Amino acid sequence: GAVVSQHPSWVICKSGTSVKIECRSLDFQATTMFWYRQFPKQSLMLMATSNEGSKATYEQGVEKDKFLINHASLTLSTLTVTSAHPEDSSFYICSARDFSTRRSSYNEQFFGPGTRLTVL
Amino acid sequence: GQQLNQSPQSMFIQEGEDVSMNCTSSSIFNTWLWYKQEPGEGPVLLIALYKAGELTSNGRLTAQFGITRKDSFLNISASIPSDVGIYFCAGQLLGAQKLVFGQGTRLTINP
Repeated sequence: GAVVSQHPSWVICKSGTSVKIECRSLDFQATTMFWYRQFPKQSLMLMATSNEGSKATYEQGVEKDKFLINHASLTLSTLTVTSAHPEDSSFYICSARDFSTRRSSYNEQFFGPGTRLTVL
Repeated sequence: GQQLNQSPQSMFIQEGEDVSMNCTSSSIFNTWLWYKQEPGEGPVLLIALYKAGELTSNGRLTAQFGITRKDSFLNISASIPSDVGIYFCAGQLLGAQKLVFGQGTRLTINP
């Protein structure tokens, strides 16, 4: 299957600093990537949908100025957590849609391995 | 927003037993997907369902897309220790890009 990577796999930072997380589709082109946040023992919550070459679409309640998303190429999307605080500590997971296998009702998403962010 | 009700939330079974979990929704979904997530990792797709009534198998896993298009189930036969993990259902509305996830079913297996 298609492979999605994330970097870094974990990061610890001080409160008030910014952290950038990369999501790459390694063997396919992804016109659309998705960013999720997962708190312990909870489900995945969609934060935003990232479309290559355009602005991201954020879910209700997600601050776009705090979670900056850039999708500059068909294989890379980045999430920057600005001025991170302890409550931003979470598991951040990206997924990418394999555009080449798209059909009328098909939307398989491949997930990255996740990035664990700890803000001290 | 859209929600999927997934049950049970957790299961504790003996190795070799069969497992069944399901998801229901008040909305009609166009696609149903089942994922497995292990600790510290991202979800991995197990089975994808695209048509109402569709029954699909992947090894010991079988999933069905409900006729009403508002539900789906996943069965695991003859469970083994490596089946341990959290299983999520996810649905996609017609014309939507994003997925809606269930709350997950945490599977624990006693050897």
